[in-house]
Amino acid sequence: NAGVMQNPRHLVRRRGQEARLRCSPMKGHSHVYWYRQLPEEGLKFMVYLQKENIIDESGMPKERFSAEFPKEGPSILRIQQVVRGDSAAYFCASSPRSGGHTDTQYFGPGTRLTVL
Amino acid sequence: AQTVTQSQPEMSVQEAETVTLSCTYDTSESDYYLFWYKQPPSRQMILVIRQEAYKQQNATENRFSVNFQKAAKSFSLKISDSQLGDAAMYFCAYSGPYGKIIFGKGTRLHILP
Repeated sequence: NAGVMQNPRHLVRRRGQEARLRCSPMKGHSHVYWYRQLPEEGLKFMVYLQKENIIDESGMPKERFSAEFPKEGPSILRIQQVVRGDSAAYFCASSPRSGGHTDTQYFGPGTRLTVL
Repeated sequence: AQTVTQSQPEMSVQEAETVTLSCTYDTSESDYYLFWYKQPPSRQMILVIRQEAYKQQNATENRFSVNFQKAAKSFSLKISDSQLGDAAMYFCAYSGPYGKIIFGKGTRLHILP
């Protein structure tokens, strides 16, 4: 059973460009979470999605950031008009349980975004 | 709001010795989960151990065990017989019943040969 997959592993963008980060959850998992890790800090929650639904986006910046988890295909975290402060590692996690109640989240290897 | 505090930015332990990493948290919820995650230089987040708040018995996983003090809101991790491969950042984390995990700032653990 393949783990959570994220691509690309490394992404370099210039200021003002768009960044698209992809996450394929583990097989059978319908819940996806995105976290951001700034250098020398812990992970910070951004958004929680189920298929075609955003459940909790309380950690998402109000502007330039969006996330989706379509019926088919991976979850996408999109950052428009990137700035240097967006440079970070972005982690995706997935869990299997539906209908509420926490289950173990399995993390992908992360995407390291560098904004020049 | 829930918070997780790790007061030890760095720790060192001699190989084969035992080390304890501290963590405190704050919440008003009665149903929650606590975790320790390990992040080696590869940056992969690895679940070390998980504790359900309703369980009084402390969780254990081989050389890793926790001391869960619910009233004190304390959740420390004990690593026995430390090995070189245990060197990593360790994050204490909290989750309520529905979804998002809140992480502490981490403790960097060094293993001295």
